[in-house]
Amino acid sequence: EAQVTQNPRYLITVTGKKLTVTCSQNMNHEYMSWYRQDPGLGLRQIYYSMNVEVTDKGDVPEGYKVSRKEKRNFPLILESPSPNQTSLYFCASIPHAGSEETQYFGPGTRLLVL
Amino acid sequence: DQQVKQNSPSLSVQEGRISILNCDYTNSMFDYFLWYKKYPAEGPTFLISISSIKDKNEDGRFTVFLNKSAKHLSLHIVPSQPGDSAVYFCAASAGFGNEKLTFGTGTRLTIIP
Repeated sequence: EAQVTQNPRYLITVTGKKLTVTCSQNMNHEYMSWYRQDPGLGLRQIYYSMNVEVTDKGDVPEGYKVSRKEKRNFPLILESPSPNQTSLYFCASIPHAGSEETQYFGPGTRLLVL
Repeated sequence: DQQVKQNSPSLSVQEGRISILNCDYTNSMFDYFLWYKKYPAEGPTFLISISSIKDKNEDGRFTVFLNKSAKHLSLHIVPSQPGDSAVYFCAASAGFGNEKLTFGTGTRLTIIP
């Protein structure tokens, strides 16, 4: 079954404690991205990756890092989380940049930073 | 600056009636529009799309209308069913490919049995 998985699904942490949210897809997609969803703001892109070792900033990259060492995995790293990063996070993938296919989204990770 | 806006945060519709969800955009470079549906504790899933060369696209109970001059699109669901209760996001892309989407703020649709 084609899918995008995220772990953990729920996370409560404290300010400044580094955390990583993992994302994995089994569709051999080249392009992956991270979004955050906040009330009244919709989904906004944080970072994206066009292929292995190729990453770039999206619309709201501050406070986040990513890496793409393997095609299937695209972890989101919060090195020093702050309360304004409390949000619902989605990972998504698409076959490649320029694809006319629609994006596949993971189930989401709800993060609370105290 | 919100380039894609959904001005109704919520909408309640009786089962069997028509649901109309609206979306406005400001960027004239957008040429492809999509609607995603999201259930609680799940990621958004693609519902229906429309290219700017069309003004209507239909898929079963779902129809999307595009008015380019007004920079407005709408999603019609008829007849509405309880399983349609979800949050609906409209999204837009500019140029070739759907990797860079700009999303609206979402409308929570509740179908009343």
